[in-house]
Amino acid sequence: ETGVTQTPRHLVMGMTNKKSLKCEQHLGHNAMYWYKQSAKKPLELMFVYNFKEQTENNSVPSRFSPECPNSSHLFLHLHTLQPEDSALYLCASSQRGGLAGEADTQYFGPGTRLTVL
Amino acid sequence: AQKVTQAQTEISVVEKEDVTLDCVYETRDTTYYLFWYKQPPSGELVFLIRRNSFDEQNEISGRYSWNFQKSTSSFNFTITASQVVDSAVYFCALSDYSGAGSYQLTFGKGTKLSVIP
Repeated sequence: ETGVTQTPRHLVMGMTNKKSLKCEQHLGHNAMYWYKQSAKKPLELMFVYNFKEQTENNSVPSRFSPECPNSSHLFLHLHTLQPEDSALYLCASSQRGGLAGEADTQYFGPGTRLTVL
Repeated sequence: AQKVTQAQTEISVVEKEDVTLDCVYETRDTTYYLFWYKQPPSGELVFLIRRNSFDEQNEISGRYSWNFQKSTSSFNFTITASQVVDSAVYFCALSDYSGAGSYQLTFGKGTKLSVIP
């Protein structure tokens, strides 16, 4: 596998379910990101992890819970979601997470298309 | 606050025509970075270019070219001799200092390009 992979690619869940999205990067990067892409809205940054530590949380509701066990893996745990949470969830990684005094390039995975019924 | 505007929501061109996608940005920083990404129907954002604010040289890569004009805060993207495979949503993004110790991306809403055979 190369680049950034995400599983599952599609997920349908009820509002009372608990599920997890998985992201894995094979680029040797130290920063990982979760973004939400809704119809007709710009990509929204949700969480940032640098060297496994969460450095950004953009006021995301607690029903989204990220986990970063190491620099290569990132999870997004979902519980009691709402229909408005239906979206494409994109994971990205970058070398330094923008901490080295300059913006580095983020590389994205294919996304998980989430539908909440 | 940073902002990226892509005024063209959708563009349709006939194959082999040239097309320019507009991007206008706002930032208070003197050091910032601009990006273009391509999102084909598969969903993955594909990195196209990264440019810092101190490098105003235009860039050409095959059929792609970018025009960076600091005076008008624009970073436009031109595809020459468009092909059907260029059909995608194109995002312009700005990264400047977030104030939280890092640089983070702000995306425009994207321009959907359809190339008709």
